[in-house]
Amino acid sequence: SAVISQKPSRDICQRGTSLTIQCQVDSQVTMMFWYRQQPGQSLTLIATANQGSEATYESGFVIDKFPISRPNLTFSTLTVSNMSPEDSSIYLCSVGRVMNTEAFFGQGTRLTVV
Amino acid sequence: AQKITQTQPGMFVQEKEAVTLDCTYDTSDQSYGLFWYKQPSSGEMIFLIYQGSYDEQNATEGRYSLNFQKARKSANLVISASQLGDSAMYFCAMREGINTGGFKTIFGAGTRLFVKA
Repeated sequence: SAVISQKPSRDICQRGTSLTIQCQVDSQVTMMFWYRQQPGQSLTLIATANQGSEATYESGFVIDKFPISRPNLTFSTLTVSNMSPEDSSIYLCSVGRVMNTEAFFGQGTRLTVV
Repeated sequence: AQKITQTQPGMFVQEKEAVTLDCTYDTSDQSYGLFWYKQPSSGEMIFLIYQGSYDEQNATEGRYSLNFQKARKSANLVISASQLGDSAMYFCAMREGINTGGFKTIFGAGTRLFVKA
């Protein structure tokens, strides 16, 4: 299994500002993912964080709004830029290894934009 | 396109009874994995159980079992002897290409389970 530390666990931010969320894994992992869970909704994949290259974004998500970094095999960040109240969600980091039958999640970051 | 359907927005069960949470899926891939996660009010995602498309036996993990019916494309979660702590949101999820390094996981809408004392 993998232990994932996600920071911050929660934050209240002013609209128009940006927040960077960190995801640290206790061992090297092949893949890292960022999900958004809007209030009362399911999880939606934002992007796949690729080590050493640009992230792969899902339809409806763009790099200018959600820039992602992945400098090594154990760490990634997601920035929520120019926030609006619609960005209020839980953001979750997830990791996986080849042939691994589990997808591990961080504790999530509960973001409220006011 | 892959798709996960959970048709029960909410379910009630009496403590100590068994409950089945429904999940159907759609995929054209032959190699895929099905997952169930529990999300309590704290927001964390807790992995419960996994079923591979080539697994002949239904997966079991303690009080959790997965009723896998491949021809019907269903992967229902059965929780035996419900406990008050089982009250949470439950998500069914699927990952295609699991034997070839596929990782993208999609989630169903979820079922909120309420366990009554």
